[in-house]
Amino acid sequence: AQSVAQPEDQVNVAEGNPLTVKCTYSVSGNPYLFWYVQYPNRGLQFLLKYITGDNLVKGSYGFEAEFNKSQTSFHLKKPSALVSDSALYFCAVRDKDTDKLIFGTGTRLQVFP
Amino acid sequence: DAGITQSPRHKVTETGTPVTLRCHQTENHRYMYWYRQDPGHGLRLIHYSYGVKDTDKGEVSDGYSVSRSKTEDFLLTLESATSSQTSVYFCAISATGSPNYGYTFGSGTRLTVV
Repeated sequence: AQSVAQPEDQVNVAEGNPLTVKCTYSVSGNPYLFWYVQYPNRGLQFLLKYITGDNLVKGSYGFEAEFNKSQTSFHLKKPSALVSDSALYFCAVRDKDTDKLIFGTGTRLQVFP
Repeated sequence: DAGITQSPRHKVTETGTPVTLRCHQTENHRYMYWYRQDPGHGLRLIHYSYGVKDTDKGEVSDGYSVSRSKTEDFLLTLESATSSQTSVYFCAISATGSPNYGYTFGSGTRLTVV
């Protein structure tokens, strides 16, 4: 069965420092991977996706993610965190047989001034 | 998000009453989904649809039914609401087969069952 794991419930980082939010996946075949962000009392906003091509994917708001097939990981990164990046982040993988999206449990990112 | 709207945005209902949530899209996408979001669980799929009158169950479908009589509308019904169904419900559409393949989510419906 397809699954996604986000091992950290919360990540704390100081403003200006690099940030990483971890995601590992388990799928059969080639994965379609996504990152979404949710601000308080808002819906989910698309950040970036990996379907094929370059392992380093660049997305919205300066975020990027690196697809690592050997480690089955798709970690979200940003070189310099902003306080406004504080939000809930979800990693997700597409189930290729049904086209449904399977989510991790989410990681709360807190950026301190 | 543009192209997908959910109604109502907020609802409080009593235990045992039926409740219907509506998802409407203007993108003419084939696939539509209903998720619920609960702390510690992320988003879990309730039901999904791959076309008019074609629906299937997700991982947490007990107590829920869906209907899709038109491409643009996907309805989620709680037949007899329970307190465990208090949650935030999100609808999503996917642009399968499109060069801009991806999933777009509605703004959510916050449902409280008292």
